[in-house]
Amino acid sequence: DVKVTQSSRYLVKRTGEKVFLECVQDMDHENMFWYRQDPGLGLRLIYFSYDVKMKEKGDIPEGYSVSREKKERFSLILESASTNQTSMYLCASRERVLGEQYFGPGTRLTVT
Amino acid sequence: KQEVTQIPAALSVPEGENLVLNCSFTDSAIYNLQWFRQDPGKGLTSLLLIQSSQREQTSGRLNASLDKSSGRSTLYIAASQPGDSATYLCAVKDNDMRFGAGTRLTVKP
Repeated sequence: DVKVTQSSRYLVKRTGEKVFLECVQDMDHENMFWYRQDPGLGLRLIYFSYDVKMKEKGDIPEGYSVSREKKERFSLILESASTNQTSMYLCASRERVLGEQYFGPGTRLTVT
Repeated sequence: KQEVTQIPAALSVPEGENLVLNCSFTDSAIYNLQWFRQDPGKGLTSLLLIQSSQREQTSGRLNASLDKSSGRSTLYIAASQPGDSATYLCAVKDNDMRFGAGTRLTVKP
């Protein structure tokens, strides 16, 4: 069974903290993605990666960075968390041939 | 830039009713279209994937159709149940993957 896991379901951090969100997939997919989802704004792509050590900016990369040292793991980093980064963060991986995308359970991040 | 629209934004039906959710997109040059379900506070669960060369896909009580030329897809849910209550999102893939805002479905017992 296809599985994408995220390190935390809920996270509360203080303004200025460095935050790491981890995502792991067990399907050997090359493509992985980080989105944030906010009411009224839908899903917005932050960063994506087509392979190990590769990263591409999405629509809203400002304030974020990513790391992909291993194929199965894609990390999202908030260098200095701010209150406007309070959101639901969703990780996804995509199967290359058919293009089906699979999502993790999400991390609800609150920055106070 | 591809735009994906889902109408209606919310829908409430009595249990047992058949219903159709709509998804439209502006650029017909897509690779595939995927329907997802999202429960409150949870991630997205893939329901059906339709490749650009296909017209429809079925899974249980769900049937998704694709008309690329008109930029439309529908998700048909037969004999709706309260457990079907969720937000349903469609997403189209061209060079990127673009998501609709979703339709929030409530099925009343």
